[in-house]
Amino acid sequence: ETGVTQSPTHLIKTRGQQVTLRCSSQSGHNTVSWYQQALGQGPQFIFQYYREEENGRGNFPPRFSGLQFPNYSSELNVNALELDDSALYLCASSPGDSYEQYFGPGTRLTVT
Amino acid sequence: GESVGLHLPTLSVQEGDNSIINCAYSNSASDYFIWYKQESGKGPQFIIDIRSNMDKRQGQRVTVLLNKTVKHLSLQIAATQPGDSAVYFCAEKSRDNLFFGTGTRLTVIP
Repeated sequence: ETGVTQSPTHLIKTRGQQVTLRCSSQSGHNTVSWYQQALGQGPQFIFQYYREEENGRGNFPPRFSGLQFPNYSSELNVNALELDDSALYLCASSPGDSYEQYFGPGTRLTVT
Repeated sequence: GESVGLHLPTLSVQEGDNSIINCAYSNSASDYFIWYKQESGKGPQFIIDIRSNMDKRQGQRVTVLLNKTVKHLSLQIAATQPGDSAVYFCAEKSRDNLFFGTGTRLTVIP
């Protein structure tokens, strides 16, 4: 059974640029959630996708957007990057009927 | 909004001792809680969960206690090992999503 994978592992962008982060969910999981984890903080919920539809959103601006594909993989897009967007971005997948989420290793985004 | 907080940001224990990590939550309507372990450079790893209709649940070397009266939960780790050194988060389910606390860093002293 393949776990949750994310790409890239590290990324450096300049303020104002756009970034796309990718996530492959664990086999059999149809729900994907994205989190932002600032240094020294707990993960903060960005949004969740279930069967290709957004299924809940945290307190993040519209420049954070996402997609889920028919194979349940997902993308997180962030436009107009700001310095405060520097963080570890975590993807977690779960079966549709469970809240037990399995996390990937994350993508470390640095905005300069 | 949701507020999940931890009483202590750091905890140091001797190898072989028991560890207790505490967490307070604010939403009395929350019905599901999870403890995660996060090692350096990795994503959070599920440890154990508990539903609000329970007050105790045991796993392998871990026990979670839930006190709904004071909105508090704790994670107990028996016979703490060096591999238990990590940051531990409690997470609260609210409005179908998880909200995490700040975390407690557990350091095991050999």
